[in-house]
Amino acid sequence: KAGVTQTPRYLIKTRGQQVTLSCSPISGHRSVSWYQQTPGQGLQFLFEYFSETQRNKGNFPGRFSGRQFSNSRSEMNVSTLELGDSALYLCASSLVGDTGETQYFGPGTRLLVL
Amino acid sequence: GQQVMQIPQYQHVQEGEDFTTYCNSSTTLSNIQWYKQRPGGHPVFLIQLVKSGEVKKQKRLTFQFGEAKKNSSLHITATQTTDVGTYFCAEDSSNTGKLIFGQGTTLQVKP
Repeated sequence: KAGVTQTPRYLIKTRGQQVTLSCSPISGHRSVSWYQQTPGQGLQFLFEYFSETQRNKGNFPGRFSGRQFSNSRSEMNVSTLELGDSALYLCASSLVGDTGETQYFGPGTRLLVL
Repeated sequence: GQQVMQIPQYQHVQEGEDFTTYCNSSTTLSNIQWYKQRPGGHPVFLIQLVKSGEVKKQKRLTFQFGEAKKNSSLHITATQTTDVGTYFCAEDSSNTGKLIFGQGTTLQVKP
């Protein structure tokens, strides 16, 4: 099976712009979680989607949003970019997101905000 | 809120030396997962521990879950340069795909 894929892999934006990142989960996986990784804050949970519904959300401002499509592919959007949004954005998929399921991470999208 | 503390933050060892990273929580953990992230890579699942006092081994890696399920450790025997990377512990208890990660321990191995 193909692994989790994320596009684009690298992105440079300027402050105030908005960005959309895409994640395709492993075939058959219906849960997609998003994480932000920065040197200072480490890996932080953004949100999780299952069957096109957001089930869980981390402590991020409303500028961070996401959605999931009927084929389980997910997108996340960040509006009004700030310098501090520069980070590696990782998505992870699992079958249904139950406790104890292995999460498989994609390669990430590295976002640089200038 | 939930917090998982991981120490040390960095560890430099000579190839062949042992390495241990520790993960601690103030609350009882339902389970603990361990991930490895190579430089420039993404987290890769290593193992999950569920039972109190559980010990699991993967070749030179030994994972332990404390009796009170509030701490866990990862021990690498006789490190090799291929062990370089950042090791994360993570709690998974939400039933909705949310992992709470420790800060990670970055291991450097000098050949």
